Amino acid sequence: QVQLQESGPGLVKPSQTLSLTCTVSGGSISSGGYYWSWIRQHPGKGLEWIGYISYSGSTYYNPSLKSRVTISVDTSKNQFSLKLSSVTAADTAVYYCARERVTTDGSFDYWGQGTLVTVSS
Amino acid sequence: DIQMTQSPSSVSASVGDRVTITCRASQGISRWLTWYQQKPGKAPKLLIYAASSLQSGVPSRFSGSGSGTDFTLSISSLQPEDFATYYCQQANSFPPTFGGGTKVEIK
Repeated sequence: QVQLQESGPGLVKPSQTLSLTCTVSGGSISSGGYYWSWIRQHPGKGLEWIGYISYSGSTYYNPSLKSRVTISVDTSKNQFSLKLSSVTAADTAVYYCARERVTTDGSFDYWGQGTLVTVSS
Repeated sequence: DIQMTQSPSSVSASVGDRVTITCRASQGISRWLTWYQQKPGKAPKLLIYAASSLQSGVPSRFSGSGSGTDFTLSISSLQPEDFATYYCQQANSFPPTFGGGTKVEIK
């Protein structure tokens, strides 16, 4: 059973960089057929896809966030990470990591539990 | 970006009721449509993929239909554990986008 777990600071100051890591267990991040994604949910709101990365390091970002987002992968640790720069209060959200079945139906089949990141001084 | 519009935004129903939720895409997405269920404080859970395929382990009272721009999620006989918010998501075009959600509440 694949499991994903987000980790990182729950509080970030405005203008700083939000950094989160997702650790994958129960399966290899290097297995083909999947992209490893970050998705966020503003409090009481819907879901916004941030971006994803393949095990080989190919990245795709939401154009609305592209200038501020970097996603990287560490296959040796079975982890992938998110960096979001120049954060404001509008970036306060629950951040999820998830696995996308990119070669079949484009669904996100496994999700982390989510981590709330608050942007505040 | 493809806009996904769900209706209604909320619905009140009783245990045993049939509930139908609609998702409309701003342009055709073939059958690249997924449905998720989300309970408070939890991550979304995959229910239906490719518009009508039931994810392993999901009860058969959930079903999906549609293609092109119009899709539906139906719950044939609502159970207590089904009270949640449901989201659709398109995977036809980059970037993937989600609907605004439909909250199924207890009447």
